[in-house]
Amino acid sequence: DAGVTQSPTHLIKTRGQQVTLRCSPKSGHDTVSWYQQALGQGPQFIFQYYEEEERQRGNFPDRFSGHQFPNYSSELNVNALLLGDSALYLCASRTRTTRTDTQYFGPGTRLTVL
Amino acid sequence: LAKTTQPISMDSYEGQEVNITCSHNNIATNDYITWYQQFPSQGPRFIIQGYKTKVTNEVASLFIPADRKSSTLSLPRVSLSDTAVYYCLVGSYTDKLIFGTGTRLQVFP
Repeated sequence: DAGVTQSPTHLIKTRGQQVTLRCSPKSGHDTVSWYQQALGQGPQFIFQYYEEEERQRGNFPDRFSGHQFPNYSSELNVNALLLGDSALYLCASRTRTTRTDTQYFGPGTRLTVL
Repeated sequence: LAKTTQPISMDSYEGQEVNITCSHNNIATNDYITWYQQFPSQGPRFIIQGYKTKVTNEVASLFIPADRKSSTLSLPRVSLSDTAVYYCLVGSYTDKLIFGTGTRLQVFP
């Protein structure tokens, strides 16, 4: 049973570029959330997707957008990259029937913006 | 959502019991207390969750006093592989998990 998978593992971009990160939830999970984790900090909630719609959003600008596909996989898009967007981007999943605070996290995508 | 306060770091030696206390003075009636563990360059991993009194699983124990304003994560007989950051979260029925800076546990041989 595969857990949450994310791709790519690492990514290097330059300021102003756009990036797309991908997440496949754990088998049987239908709800996906994205988090940003800066070095030395705890993860910060970006948004959550269920039934292909954004259901909750954290305090992130519109440059951060996402999508969920019918197979429950998800993408995180970041436009007009800033140096401050350098972070570990984490995807978490759960089923609608489990508690919202018991989520499974993927290994993350390390994004470096130069 | 209730704010949590944890020690920034703790040191221990292999074989010792480690207790990490989390303060959450503004915890709401419906809030649960959840602990996650995170290794470097990995996502957080759910360890344990409780509402009141004591909860134990194969990994840890969670002690919650009657007033629920604090909680203690207990790791029995730690090993080097327990070196990680431990996060205490408080909340209920929201996917918007609020992580603080966590407690960095360093286990020495």
